[in-house]
Amino acid sequence: QLQLQESGPGLVKPSETLSLNCVVLGGSISSAHPYWGWIRQPPGKGLEWIATISYRGNTYYNPSLKSRVTISQDTSKSQFSLRLNSVTVADTAVYYCANLGVIGRDFQEWGQGTLVTVSS
Amino acid sequence: QSALTQPASVSGSPGQSITISCTGSSSDVGGYDYVSWNQQHPGKAPKLIIYDVYKRPSGVSDRFSGSKSGNTASLTISGLQTEDEADYYCSSFTSSVTLVFGGGTKLTVL
Repeated sequence: QLQLQESGPGLVKPSETLSLNCVVLGGSISSAHPYWGWIRQPPGKGLEWIATISYRGNTYYNPSLKSRVTISQDTSKSQFSLRLNSVTVADTAVYYCANLGVIGRDFQEWGQGTLVTVSS
Repeated sequence: QSALTQPASVSGSPGQSITISCTGSSSDVGGYDYVSWNQQHPGKAPKLIIYDVYKRPSGVSDRFSGSKSGNTASLTISGLQTEDEADYYCSSFTSSVTLVFGGGTKLTVL
């Protein structure tokens, strides 16, 4: 059973860069589990897909965030990361990492989420 | 990309059946059989309950079923139970090789 664990600062200042890491336990970033992604949920609001990465390194981004987002991976450490530049208060949210399975079309396993607050 | 359209709320009594709709376009819901549904209880991470329109992951109750007609997908929950009270989100693959969620539906079991 795959487990995912997000980590990163809980507080980021406006205009700075949000950086989060997701460690994969019980599996690895490989052809067996090729697609991984990030999703966020502002307080009291709905889910928003941010980005997906494949084990081959192919990346896919939400057009509304593409100019500010980078998703990357370190297969040797079974972890993947998110960077979001130039954050504002609107980026305050619970950030989830997820496994998107073999074809990357659904969110099969979720991390428990980590709250990131953007505030000075 | 525009979010898929879901009703903000639905309600039902224990034992009843309810259906939640998820409307998109031919570029997402209508164009691919890659619609999924996630259940989220308050303060918890979402959980996948339906994928590829109608398939259930191992361990998910067969009271949950999915379907699609044209640009609208549906989630039906039969034999409502109090533990089904949660938020439900649909998602779909899109022609832009992206993923998009619905706005979410709050299910209240009266």
